[in-house]
Amino acid sequence: QAVVTQEPSLTLSPGETVTLTCGSSTGAVTSGHYPCWFQQKPGQAPTTLIYGTINKESWTPARFSGSLLGGKAALTLSGAQPEDEADYYCLLSYSGTWVFGGGTKLTVL
Amino acid sequence: QVQLVQSGSELKKPGASVKVSCKASGYTFTSYPTNWVRQAPGQGLEWVGWINTNTGNPTYAQGFAGRFVFSLDTSVSTAYLQIAGLEAEDTAIYYCVTVVPNSGVGWGQGTLVTVSS
Repeated sequence: QAVVTQEPSLTLSPGETVTLTCGSSTGAVTSGHYPCWFQQKPGQAPTTLIYGTINKESWTPARFSGSLLGGKAALTLSGAQPEDEADYYCLLSYSGTWVFGGGTKLTVL
Repeated sequence: QVQLVQSGSELKKPGASVKVSCKASGYTFTSYPTNWVRQAPGQGLEWVGWINTNTGNPTYAQGFAGRFVFSLDTSVSTAYLQIAGLEAEDTAIYYCVTVVPNSGVGWGQGTLVTVSS
């Protein structure tokens, strides 16, 4: 089974920009893996930020964007806000089998 | 917009069974599969598997075949996750999740299943 890797933790200051990445043990991540990104705050269910590599939900703030970067899926946060402090999970699909990354704990301080 | 509403929290004894429901709205239920995801306390997200809502055919992730069973009632656009022979390690929040291409990825609010004697 594939392993999906994310940075365990990242810290940044308000207003800064950060890129979270999502790699696959099987090789380069492509749009065929239908990369998705989810945000989860303590005590809450995950919410979808990005699906299908680049598509945003209606509630996704404009400062979040998805892409493919260097063989990985990427989530870029441009101009972090304190409310962006959360856990972020990526999801890759392998011919219908889902594999989640271990999550990135993003701290904004 | 994809909306998924799950049943409430459950407290069960070891060895018992539990059935979690997930009622869908905002899309054609039988057109897109329902996935199930588990999150143990303090842990990340883990895919349990999915059910084809058109045929009823289930697919279970490694380690979940056997005690975990997916089912449907298409007349009320509802998917179910049943877990038999509950163990303490099954204590977790269980989410249903549906991907509707070009529309988004919907999550249920989660159902906490606690297994304790």
